[in-house]
Amino acid sequence: AQKITQTQPGMFVQEKEAVTLDCTYDTSDQSYGLFWYKQPSSGEMIFLIYQGSYDEQNATEGRYSLNFQKARKSANLVISASQLGDSAMYFCAMRALSGGYQKVTFGTGTKLQVIP
Amino acid sequence: DAGVIQSPRHEVTEMGQEVTLRCKPISGHDYLFWYRQTMMRGLELLIYFNNNVPIDDSGMPEDRFSAKMPNASFSTLKIQPSEPRDSAVYFCASSFQGTTEAFFGQGTRLTVV
Repeated sequence: AQKITQTQPGMFVQEKEAVTLDCTYDTSDQSYGLFWYKQPSSGEMIFLIYQGSYDEQNATEGRYSLNFQKARKSANLVISASQLGDSAMYFCAMRALSGGYQKVTFGTGTKLQVIP
Repeated sequence: DAGVIQSPRHEVTEMGQEVTLRCKPISGHDYLFWYRQTMMRGLELLIYFNNNVPIDDSGMPEDRFSAKMPNASFSTLKIQPSEPRDSAVYFCASSFQGTTEAFFGQGTRLTVV
């Protein structure tokens, strides 16, 4: 079975500081993708960053980076230089293709609040 | 590209009525997903299509739910009859190929009274 665990229901970070949101996963599939999405209070789901299971380098997108440690099955999101607009829910997710079927799993999310 | 477009953004309906949610995926994407988000259950995958063909509908909660994708640029999720417990935000998402990122629409907030 495929599982995503986000152990931090809520986090606070000071503006301009860096913050790490934790995500661990479990899968028996060899090929999979890991994602982070941001959901602000307005409700839309915004794609942030993607890491493929065979990618050797950690993914980066602007202020976002994904700390991928395959042996530990972790895919933590690092946000550098936090901004007030970063306050939102953050979801870690995984997709895998197994036996011809897509398996998609989302974590329960972490609510990040950036303090001025 | 305009992104994934969902309509309506908000829907309020009475119990027992039929509800149809609509989705236009990003042009060129070959996967389309329907999700439901609630406080209790989080984000759940209901059904997904590949090249307009439904592949896995094991997440559809009941026979009251049905989804179609008549062509590459349009999909519907229908609930008939609707019940108060169907109240949720329904998202449509599309992606290109197997394990790459999916892009979400703005969602439809459904309230069944």
